[in-house]
Amino acid sequence: EAGVTQSPTHLIKTRGQQATLRCSPISGHTSVYWYQQALGLGLQFLLWYDEGEERNRGNFPPRFSGRQFPNYSSELNVNALELEDSALYLCASSFGTGGYEQYFGPGTRLTVT
Amino acid sequence: KNQVEQSPQSLIILEGKNCTLQCNYTVSPFSNLRWYKQDTGRGPVSLTIMTFSENTKSNGRYTATLDADTKQSSLHITASQLSDSASYICVVRISGAGSYQLTFGKGTKLSVIP
Repeated sequence: EAGVTQSPTHLIKTRGQQATLRCSPISGHTSVYWYQQALGLGLQFLLWYDEGEERNRGNFPPRFSGRQFPNYSSELNVNALELEDSALYLCASSFGTGGYEQYFGPGTRLTVT
Repeated sequence: KNQVEQSPQSLIILEGKNCTLQCNYTVSPFSNLRWYKQDTGRGPVSLTIMTFSENTKSNGRYTATLDADTKQSSLHITASQLSDSASYICVVRISGAGSYQLTFGKGTKLSVIP
């Protein structure tokens, strides 16, 4: 069974640009979560999507947004990139909203210069 | 405030030695606690999960303990191997909440040297 996949592996952007990160969940999983892991910090919850809808978002500005497609894959968009957005962005998926285990993807390393 | 504190921040041990990582939490109400292993630049992988009623759980050379009264957990690694070099993250789930309600520790970075 394929795990959670993310693309691209690495992304280099300039301050002010936009970045788009993609995630494909494990087959059968309907929930997708996005986390930011900045250097030296723990994982910070960004967004949670389930059945195509945004269920909750963490304490991040509106320039962090995303969506979930009918096939449950998801996209994270970061607008007006700032240097402090440089981090590993992790996507996780789970069966749904019932407290199921979250399985993580390998992450996308975003570097903003 | 729900928090998960891990210690030490980093640890260097010789191959073959044992080590113990600590996790203290103030998350309430408590549902379960997981230990994850995260290799550099990769996503975390679950090692163990413990609920309120469990106080010990093993996964190969990894043994996790939980004291729900003192809100402390530990991860003991036996006969360490070079491949154990990674960050180990303690994650606590809040009871009754949706799947997103996880509180993450900052992790302990373990380096196993030959």
